[in-house]
Amino acid sequence: GNSVTQMEGPVTLSEEAFLTINCTYTATGYPSLFWYVQYPGEGLQLLLKATKADDKGSNKGFEATYRKETTSFHLEKGSVQVSDSAVYFCALSGRGGGADGLTFGKGTHLIIQP
Amino acid sequence: GAGVSQTPSNKVTEKGKYVELRCDPISGHTALYWYRQSLGQGPEFLIYFQGTGAADDSGLPNDRFFAVRPEGSVSTLKIQRTERGDSAVYLCASSRGTDNEQFFGPGTRLTVL
Repeated sequence: GNSVTQMEGPVTLSEEAFLTINCTYTATGYPSLFWYVQYPGEGLQLLLKATKADDKGSNKGFEATYRKETTSFHLEKGSVQVSDSAVYFCALSGRGGGADGLTFGKGTHLIIQP
Repeated sequence: GAGVSQTPSNKVTEKGKYVELRCDPISGHTALYWYRQSLGQGPEFLIYFQGTGAADDSGLPNDRFFAVRPEGSVSTLKIQRTERGDSAVYLCASSRGTDNEQFFGPGTRLTVL
């Protein structure tokens, strides 16, 4: 079945540092890939997505590229801010575009220190 | 506009009791999803509705769990004979239809004593 593996947290960085959160997946067919974020006290919200190989999703300075050859969708940001502190979830959808239930990773808690 | 709402926000019950959790999706969203999130884990898919019908209920863990969406809007997740292992945050999400972003509610925290 489908599965998502992402790096364990917490990840602690200083403000303005470069961020990478690794995510790899196992799936049949051609899934769509997502990063969701959960800020303290708030619900899950979509950060970015990519629906086919080599697509790059981007939002709020975050980027992730759908790499089919390495089955990866690593999240990156060039300069993090304290306000980026949150839990980040990598997820995939089996039939593409989020039309079915999502499979999530365990989440990575990111802590940005001023 | 109003987002996905879930009630109650917290529910404490005793082992063996029956509980109902409610989800109000965003108006006009035809697809509705239920997930369960245990502590330190990512959300785990339970069931997905397209309109009134369950399009995929493969994630329901056993026959104690059941969900309905009789009018294609509000959905209720029902858990019979609750067990301590059912304790988790139950999340609901909705989307405009197939191939669209899922919008999540704040969740219901269920505690089974």
